[in-house]
Amino acid sequence: KQEVTQIPAALSVPEGENLVLNCSFTDSAIYNLQWFRQDPGKGLTSLLLIQSSQREQTSGRLNASLDKSSGRSTLYIAASQPGDSATYLCAGEGYQKVTFGTGTKLQVIP
Amino acid sequence: NAGVTQTPKFRILKIGQSMTLQCAQDMNHNYMYWYRQDPGMGLKLIYYSVGAGITDKGEVPNGYNVSRSTTEDFPLRLELAAPSQTSVYFCASSVASGHNEQFFGPGTRLTVL
Repeated sequence: KQEVTQIPAALSVPEGENLVLNCSFTDSAIYNLQWFRQDPGKGLTSLLLIQSSQREQTSGRLNASLDKSSGRSTLYIAASQPGDSATYLCAGEGYQKVTFGTGTKLQVIP
Repeated sequence: NAGVTQTPKFRILKIGQSMTLQCAQDMNHNYMYWYRQDPGMGLKLIYYSVGAGITDKGEVPNGYNVSRSTTEDFPLRLELAAPSQTSVYFCASSVASGHNEQFFGPGTRLTVL
């Protein structure tokens, strides 16, 4: 059974800092790993999707990496801004199933 | 495109009542999903559909039913609501499984008293 873990559960950083969010998974037989952003009271917004054959994906200040052999993915946020404050979730998709982590709540302090 | 839409946004039910959560997408996606999100927990898959007329159970299907008569709509039915079904419900869609990102609706916050 796939288990997805995100540590820490919460993170507070000053504006401008570069930061890394971690996601680990137990079953390496995934099709892809997707990172989402969730604002309070809102739905999930897809940030980046990494296929199992890829090592990383980039979008603007965001960079996500995937290492299937170690069961880990990281989301790197460069030059953090207060607008980046949200909960970030990762999800691994396997056969007929997507497993979500519980998220990291990020607060960027001006 | 409106993307994935859900109605209602909020609902309070009494124990034993029934209701249908509506979900629609206008992206011509084949795959649609229903998740529930409880505080401090990850999203749990309730049901999913790979196309019109085809549905299958997810991780936590008990107490729910779905139908998929069209590509666009994927309603979730709660029969005999229980307090354990108090949660935020999200509908999502994707082109297919495995290589495509999921798009989420804004959610329905349901309270069962």
